[in-house]
Amino acid sequence: QSVLTQPPSASGTPGQRVTISCSGTSSNIGSNYVSWYQQLPGTAPKLLIYSNNQRPSGVPDRFSGSKSGTSASLAISGLRSEDEADYYCAAWDDSLSGFYVFGTGTKVTVL
Amino acid sequence: QLQLQESGSGLVTPSQTLSLTCAVSGGSISSGGYSWSWIRQPPGKGLEWIGYIYHIGSTYYNPSLKGRVTISVDRSKNQFSLKMSSVTAADTALYYCARSYGSGSNYYFDYWGQGTLVTVSS
Repeated sequence: QSVLTQPPSASGTPGQRVTISCSGTSSNIGSNYVSWYQQLPGTAPKLLIYSNNQRPSGVPDRFSGSKSGTSASLAISGLRSEDEADYYCAAWDDSLSGFYVFGTGTKVTVL
Repeated sequence: QLQLQESGSGLVTPSQTLSLTCAVSGGSISSGGYSWSWIRQPPGKGLEWIGYIYHIGSTYYNPSLKGRVTISVDRSKNQFSLKMSSVTAADTALYYCARSYGSGSNYYFDYWGQGTLVTVSS
């Protein structure tokens, strides 16, 4: 049911900046706020970004979010080995009777 | 620190009903401004939102689950539950409970349980 499209993979070397895109439509990203989740191997997802660009307490400022039109992005600067994980964008979708939708997920590999 | 813990049937026979409970500790399920959600993740795949309930009992479900889902809350036990009927192998997944914050256009999950694996098999 995913209607938010992410690249399946992204990679970088330690210290580099990696950007993950999230493409949606006018009924989801275009009209609602975006959040991002990090899922380390074998663990539950963790809230990384909410309200498009806000970080919860404890999330390093190396992680930043942005939104423009029907797309959103997550940037990881100063990439570290512990950032190797799956990342998901998410937003409410106003179509049908409304539902919450996650992105397809992006696996970030630290080379 | 808020904690959520899932429990329930790990193996369900096809066509039967899946039942899970999420126990909340370190905070009250009756706290205003929050709803309580179920989310699942098939093995090796992405996340799918199932639905949520407010402490007053109002619910909202993913339309894709076509009326098979019921979420309820027990405020006296500080827990909420999921029932999914007529399960098939496609319902095999890791099931997470989570606290959801926000409303309308701004909605997100700030606390998650560790997840519980449910396998649908005869």
